[in-house]
Amino acid sequence: KAGVTQTPRYLIKTRGQQVTLSCSPISGHRSVSWYQQTPGQGLQFLFEYFSETQRNKGNFPGRFSGRQFSNSRSEMNVSTLELGDSALYLCASSLDHGTDTQYFGPGTRLTVL
Amino acid sequence: TQLLEQSPQFLSIQEGENLTVYCNSSSVFSSLQWYRQEPGEGPVLLVTVVTGGEVKKLKRLTFQFGDARKDSSLHITAAQPGDTGLYLCAGDSGGNKLVFGAGTILRVKS
Repeated sequence: KAGVTQTPRYLIKTRGQQVTLSCSPISGHRSVSWYQQTPGQGLQFLFEYFSETQRNKGNFPGRFSGRQFSNSRSEMNVSTLELGDSALYLCASSLDHGTDTQYFGPGTRLTVL
Repeated sequence: TQLLEQSPQFLSIQEGENLTVYCNSSSVFSSLQWYRQEPGEGPVLLVTVVTGGEVKKLKRLTFQFGDARKDSSLHITAAQPGDTGLYLCAGDSGGNKLVFGAGTILRVKS
């Protein structure tokens, strides 16, 4: 069974631009969660999508948004990029919403110049 | 806000030594997961502990979940260079939202 895939793996953007990251969960998994990892703050929860609906949200500004498609693939978007948005963005998939083991993808390394 | 405090932050040991990483919280978690992460990659799940007092073994790794489900530990016996990496504990606070500790960077020297 293929694991969680994320594209692109690396991205360089400039301040003020916007970016879209993509995540394909493990086949059969219906929940996708997004996390931001930085050296200073560690891993922080952004949001979770299940059945095309956002079910849970972390403490991030509205510039961070996401969506999920009917095939469970998910995208997250960051608008008006700031230098502090430079991070490793990780996607995790799990079978269902609720208490369930999450499996992480390799991440997208975003650098904002 | 649920927080997980992980200690120590850094560990540099010789091959063959034993070590323990701790993960503590004032909050109760329904489950706790341990991950290992290599640079530039996503965290890889090592184990999930669910029941208070639970002990799980994975080869040379032993995981314990506290009776009150507020703390956990990871013990590695006879560490090897291949154990080098970032170890993360994460508590499930509900709705697939994981709260992560800051992580322990382990370096095992040969």
